[in-house]
Amino acid sequence: DTAVSQTPKYLVTQMGNDKSIKCEQNLGHDTMYWYKQDSKKFLKIMFSYNNKELIINETVPNRFSPKSPDKAHLNLHINSLELGDSAVYFCASSQAPPRGYTFGSGTRLTVV
Amino acid sequence: DAKTTQPTSMDCAEGRAANLPCNHSTISGNEYVYWYRQIHSQGPQYIIHGLKNNETNEMASLIITEDRKSSTLILPHATLRDTAVYYCIVRVEGSGNTGKLIFGQGTTLQVKP
Repeated sequence: DTAVSQTPKYLVTQMGNDKSIKCEQNLGHDTMYWYKQDSKKFLKIMFSYNNKELIINETVPNRFSPKSPDKAHLNLHINSLELGDSAVYFCASSQAPPRGYTFGSGTRLTVV
Repeated sequence: DAKTTQPTSMDCAEGRAANLPCNHSTISGNEYVYWYRQIHSQGPQYIIHGLKNNETNEMASLIITEDRKSSTLILPHATLRDTAVYYCIVRVEGSGNTGKLIFGQGTTLQVKP
C-alpha cells in the first residue's frame, strides 16, 4: 500500500564500494525525484525524471547515476562511495504541478 | 536558494492554534506556495498549497496576503504529534517540466503539553 517505497531503509558500507538504492511509486505519477538530506538537515534536490527522461540534474558528482527503467521506478546508483556521501536519501514523486510531492520514508546511508 | 524565510523555531501549547509565518517577497505571479512538514527524519509530508486565495483542508489552513509576499500556515488545534520541522516553499519553475521544490531551513515547531 505504500505510495512511494524505498529500499533499503538503512545501508552501511565501506568507502570505495558501489551501492544502489531503489525507489518505486504506485501513484501513477509522471515525475520522480531524488533528494539528499545531510547532517545539517538541509534537503537538496539531486535529480528529477519525467516519464523516464532526465529533466533535472543538479550539481551532483558523476559517481551518482540515476536510472529510470519505467516511470514507476527511479533507482540511484553510487560508485566509489565517500564519507561525505553519508546522508538520508529521499525519493519523491509528483503529478503535474501544482500538485504536491509524495516522499518516501528515506534511506539512511552510512559510509565508514 | 530557497525563496522563503521562516523563523527558526516556535513553541505552541497543546490544543492551541499554531500560526507559522513565512515571507516570500520575491514570489512571481504564477508561483504557488507549498507547505510540508518533516517529523523526526521521516519523509517530508505534504500539508497544503495555494496561489492567491486562502485554502483549508483537513490538516491546516493557509492564509496568503493580498500582495502574496507572505503567508501563514495555521494548525487549528495543535497536538504533540504536530511537533515537526515545517517548510514553506515556493516552487522554482524552469523550462518544460523542470520545476522543483527548494527546501529552506524551515521552522521547528515544538508543541508542549
